[in-house]
Amino acid sequence: DIQMTQSPSSLSASVGDRVTITCRASQSISRYLNWYQQKAGKAPELLIYAAASLQSGVPSRFSGGGFGTDFTLTISSLQPEDFATYYCQQTYSTPPYTFGQGTRLEIK
Amino acid sequence: QVQLVESGGGLVKPGGSLRLSCAASGFTFRDYYMSWFRQAPGKGLEWLSYTSNSGNTIYYADSVKGRFTISRDNAKNSMFLQMNSLTAEDTAVYYCARVVVTMISRWFDPWGQGTLVTVSS
Repeated sequence: DIQMTQSPSSLSASVGDRVTITCRASQSISRYLNWYQQKAGKAPELLIYAAASLQSGVPSRFSGGGFGTDFTLTISSLQPEDFATYYCQQTYSTPPYTFGQGTRLEIK
Repeated sequence: QVQLVESGGGLVKPGGSLRLSCAASGFTFRDYYMSWFRQAPGKGLEWLSYTSNSGNTIYYADSVKGRFTISRDNAKNSMFLQMNSLTAEDTAVYYCARVVVTMISRWFDPWGQGTLVTVSS
């Protein structure tokens, strides 16, 4: 199975900050990498698919990058509604489609 | 709009069974692969199972293989998860999600609101 290592596991930042979360796959996964945002008590929501494509309706301050084994999620200027937990997920080849352990983004 | 609604969660005793449902609306259900996930209290997301649009191709996570069965009824725009031999480790919020597949990737969107399954005596 492909293992996904996400870092950091938690992050404190202020409104207006630029933050980057990284995700590393245990083998090459091409562009089969997605990012989800989950707010407390809510279902996950898709932010970025195919490593760098912004889901419709998601603000342009979110961006994704990477290919192969190393990927990033960047929020260019944090807004109050962005404080949440973020997960990367690989969907390469056949299942299991594994997630990173999550990054909890908190207000400093 | 595209919507998924899970139901069927609840309290069940260890060793018991439960059947979850996922009702789809706002899209042509028979054209899409579908999947189940879960999230134990305070933990991360776990992929559980995946069915092709016809139901002919199915995958399971090792943690539920042999105990859980995924199925779908395209005529009723619904997907199901039959869960048997439940243990406390199966306590979680269970989510269904639509799978979008393209030539360069695949992703899960949208997700339902989730249904809570609690396994306890």
